[in-house]
Amino acid sequence: KNQVEQSPQSLIILEGKNCTLQCNYTVSPFSNLRWYKQDTGRGPVSLTIMTFSENTKSNGRYTATLDADTKQSSLHITASQLSDSASYICVVKPDKLIFGTGTRLQVFP
Amino acid sequence: GAGVSQSPSNKVTEKGKDVELRCDPISGHTALYWYRQSLGQGLEFLIYFQGNSAPDKSGLPSDRFSAERTGESVSTLTIQRTQQEDSAVYLCASKGLAETQYFGPGTRLLVL
Repeated sequence: KNQVEQSPQSLIILEGKNCTLQCNYTVSPFSNLRWYKQDTGRGPVSLTIMTFSENTKSNGRYTATLDADTKQSSLHITASQLSDSASYICVVKPDKLIFGTGTRLQVFP
Repeated sequence: GAGVSQSPSNKVTEKGKDVELRCDPISGHTALYWYRQSLGQGLEFLIYFQGNSAPDKSGLPSDRFSAERTGESVSTLTIQRTQQEDSAVYLCASKGLAETQYFGPGTRLLVL
């Protein structure tokens, strides 16, 4: 069964700190993996898209890694800001997009 | 506007009533998707339109759900005889030639 699992479910950190969100998937065949950021009350916004051959991809303070052998991805946020408070959703595409349930990140001053 | 827009933003309805949700995709985007996001759940695929091809309706949960799209423009998602379990955020996304889907802000549906 195609599944995308994320951990932790929620995370609280202090402003300026780094954090790493995890995504494990059991999806086959694999096309690409995406990370989305969803602010409260808004639609998801794409952060990165990674194909099978890409191990790491950065978008500003966001860095995503992908290990296609172990079927794991992580999203690392550097020097967190209050505006990083949101849900982060891992999405894997075999043919259709399969969404994880997200990690709810709260950044406190 | 440059983004995907959806209306209404919020909809409260009584059980058994029909509702119609609207999505205006980004101009020129040939692909349009509808998703449902229930509280604490991941996004659930509902239906996919690509150009003039027959839509992929495989995600629609029951025959009470239907959607239409006129050409490459506006789409409407209709839920007939709404049930309380239909309460969710309904998200629309559109996609051009690139892989990225651009999401609208969603319609929050509450069925009482």
